[in-house]
Amino acid sequence: EAQVTQNPRYLITVTGKKLTVTCSQNMNHEYMSWYRQDPGLGLRQIYYSMNVEVTDKGDVPEGYKVSRKEKRNFPLILESPSPNQTSLYFCASSPSWGWGNTIYFGEGSWLTVV
Amino acid sequence: KNQVEQSPQSLIILEGKNCTLQCNYTVSPFSNLRWYKQDTGRGPVSLTIMTFSENTKSNGRYTATLDADTKQSSLHITASQLSDSASYICVVIRYNAGGTSYGKLTFGQGTILTVHP
Repeated sequence: EAQVTQNPRYLITVTGKKLTVTCSQNMNHEYMSWYRQDPGLGLRQIYYSMNVEVTDKGDVPEGYKVSRKEKRNFPLILESPSPNQTSLYFCASSPSWGWGNTIYFGEGSWLTVV
Repeated sequence: KNQVEQSPQSLIILEGKNCTLQCNYTVSPFSNLRWYKQDTGRGPVSLTIMTFSENTKSNGRYTATLDADTKQSSLHITASQLSDSASYICVVIRYNAGGTSYGKLTFGQGTILTVHP
């Protein structure tokens, strides 16, 4: 079954404590990306990756890091989380973002920074 | 500025009725436009994908239209069902600043549709 798996699904952490949200896909997709969703603002792209070792910034990359060392994994790293990073995070993958390809989203990770 | 605006923000209809959701965008350079359905607390699920050369695309009871000249799209839902209650999100995919890849996604804020029995 095609899946994009995120972990953890729910997390409460404290300001400044580094955390990593993992994302893994089993479809051999080249494209992966991270988004955050906030009330009234909708989904916003944080980072995306076109292939292993190839990443680029989305619209809201500040405070986040990513790495793509393997094709199937695309972790999101918050080096020093702050309360304004409290949000619902989604990972997604696609063969490409060309017209013919569906983007598959994970189930989301609820992150609270206190 | 790259933006995607959706209207209405929310909509309530009775089961069995039709409805149309709107999406206007100023994203450039444009690659393709997608409509997604998102249930509360779940990941978005793809409904349609359209390029600038396509005017209409259907997926069951969902029909999307695109006018690339006016930069407008619509999603028409026919014979609504209770399970259609969700947020519907318009997404535009554009090229990056260097024009070398089209990995940037801009999302509308969504239209919350509620279908009542």
